[in-house]
Amino acid sequence: GAGVSQSPSNKVTEKGKDVELRCDPISGHTALYWYRQSLGQGLEFLIYFQGNSAPDKSGLPSDRFSAERTGGSVSTLTIQRTQQEDSAVYLCASSLGQGGKVEQFFGPGTRLTVL
Amino acid sequence: AQKITQTQPGMFVQEKEAVTLDCTYDTSDPSYGLFWYKQPSSGEMIFLIYQGSYDQQNATEGRYSLNFQKARKSANLVISASQLGDSAMYFCAMREENNAGNMLTFGGGTRLMVKP
Repeated sequence: GAGVSQSPSNKVTEKGKDVELRCDPISGHTALYWYRQSLGQGLEFLIYFQGNSAPDKSGLPSDRFSAERTGGSVSTLTIQRTQQEDSAVYLCASSLGQGGKVEQFFGPGTRLTVL
Repeated sequence: AQKITQTQPGMFVQEKEAVTLDCTYDTSDPSYGLFWYKQPSSGEMIFLIYQGSYDQQNATEGRYSLNFQKARKSANLVISASQLGDSAMYFCAMREENNAGNMLTFGGGTRLMVKP
């Protein structure tokens, strides 16, 4: 079956440009998460969606970061005026419901490089 | 304070031997879950095993088992009979049930290298 997909797989951009990263969760998964993984580090939580709403945006590192989810499915993470410190792998995950043993299924990630 | 601590940045193990990857956590939430994920060099995150804070027995999944010591707040991953394909980064993560964000908090990871 289809897993979580993300596009693009790689993105190279110049400092100051805006980028959009896309996540297609597993069909039927109501919860969607964005994480960021800097080189050699663990994952850092960015934002969580339940349906189309985001109960927790506390992980977004600055107001240059925003995300939306439409139709309870696809999500887009937008980074405005990119900075070099934004370079990282951005991982999306989805889960069927929340809490307990509910497993988060991860996509392959988008590697963002800001020159 | 770090919520999840993995003190071993890198470890070697001989093929076919067992290895323990350490994880300690910090929470005041009485209800929480602990997860281990494997991340091969290809980058995908692969779920391995889960332990709930109220589970009476240690979790096991094939060659993976979790040594859960609640009083010590540790949840070490034990891999038995290591295989070359086990070489990867391993992340311990926690979800606190009272956290509205429902997100996973990850440790810094342990790089495991299996020697032939």
